Amino acid sequence: NAGVTQTPKFQVLKTGQSMTLQCAQDMNHNSMYWYRQDPGMGLRLIYYSASEGTTDKGEVPNGYNVSRLNKREFSLRLESAAPSQTSVYFCASSELQGITGELFFGEGSRLTVL
Amino acid sequence: AQSVSQHNHHVILSEAASLELGCNYSYGGTVNLFWYVQYPGQHLQLLLKYFSGDPLVKGIKGFEAEFIKSKFSFNLRKPSVQWSDTAEYFCAVKAAGNNRKLIWGLGTSLAVNP
Repeated sequence: NAGVTQTPKFQVLKTGQSMTLQCAQDMNHNSMYWYRQDPGMGLRLIYYSASEGTTDKGEVPNGYNVSRLNKREFSLRLESAAPSQTSVYFCASSELQGITGELFFGEGSRLTVL
Repeated sequence: AQSVSQHNHHVILSEAASLELGCNYSYGGTVNLFWYVQYPGQHLQLLLKYFSGDPLVKGIKGFEAEFIKSKFSFNLRKPSVQWSDTAEYFCAVKAAGNNRKLIWGLGTSLAVNP
């Protein structure tokens, strides 16, 4: 099984450009998450989707939008990128809102905004 | 509000030294506890978890953690570290039950010198 797959792995944007990070999981998980990881700040939740058809804001949702396209896919969109959004983005999935609590992570997408 | 505190931000050890990384949380109810590891350039993966039962939990690669409820702590230990243990370690806590999110510590960076 591939687990959680994210694309692209690397991206450089100019300020104001838009882009979408794609995430897909093949574990039949109900819940999916987008985190950003910055040095010294740990993992911060951007948005999550507890189940297909629902999305909710996390700690740092400003400047982002998400779409839970179906049970497998959960995309993160930056409408107008800013340098403050330079980060490593991780997608994760889990059983229904963490019945076991264990998250399965993708390999990350490193985004640089110039 | 719930929070997770990892006391050591950066730890440097020599091979064969013993390791203990501290993790404390603030939440009075029943919790599920996790340690995740992120090897350089890789995604986060679960090292070990505690839900109930024996408070001494054994994980992968010789790691263990002890849940001390009275101290709100879940410290990670390894008797003898290896160079390959160089990684970032994250403690995470979830209030027990469905529909509860993980709260993350800021992480501890471990460097093991050969």
